[in-house]
Amino acid sequence: QVQLQQSGPGLVKPSQTLSLTCAISGDSVSSNSALWNWIRQSPSRGLEWLGRTYYRSRWFNDYAVSVKSRITIDPDTSKNHFSLHLNSVTPEDTAVYYCVRDHASGSHWGQGTLVTVSS
Amino acid sequence: DIQMTQSPSSLSASVGDRVTITCRASQGISNYLAWYQQKPGKVPKLLIYAASTLQSGVPSRFSGSGSGTDFTLTISSLQPEDVATYYCQKYNSAPCSFGQGTKLEIK
Repeated sequence: QVQLQQSGPGLVKPSQTLSLTCAISGDSVSSNSALWNWIRQSPSRGLEWLGRTYYRSRWFNDYAVSVKSRITIDPDTSKNHFSLHLNSVTPEDTAVYYCVRDHASGSHWGQGTLVTVSS
Repeated sequence: DIQMTQSPSSLSASVGDRVTITCRASQGISNYLAWYQQKPGKVPKLLIYAASTLQSGVPSRFSGSGSGTDFTLTISSLQPEDVATYYCQKYNSAPCSFGQGTKLEIK
């Protein structure tokens, strides 16, 4: 059974980098059939897909245009997890952040992390 | 980028009613469309993927249809536990955008 466990700080100062990690059990981040996403949700923006990483003989990344200049999603095969890094954050980045596994058989979501951007 | 537009944005119906929510893509997405249910304070739950495939464990009163640009989520007989916000999402290619959501309430 696939499970995703998120970790990371709940408070980030403006202009700093938001970093979250999603630990995977029951699958491999290097799977050739899964995609590993970060999604966030706020009252003002609804559900917003941020980006994904996936392995198909080599690593690929896709990012949303709205955050493309500020985002990195990194897989770590040794720890079987993937991470989100969003730099130069502002209060507009305050949201609940989710990691999500997509697969032909459906999706699995992490528990969500409320990240507040405030000084 | 392909935009996903849901209608209506909110809906009130009676227990036992047939409820339909629509999702429209600004360009064709074949059948790469998922429907999620989200209850307050909870993680979104996958109901349907590939436009019409019911996720394991989801009640059969939920169904999905459509292909290309127009999709529908139907609840055949509304139950009190179906009160939630429903979202569609395209996932064939990036960006994997969501609709703005449909809030479903009981009359």
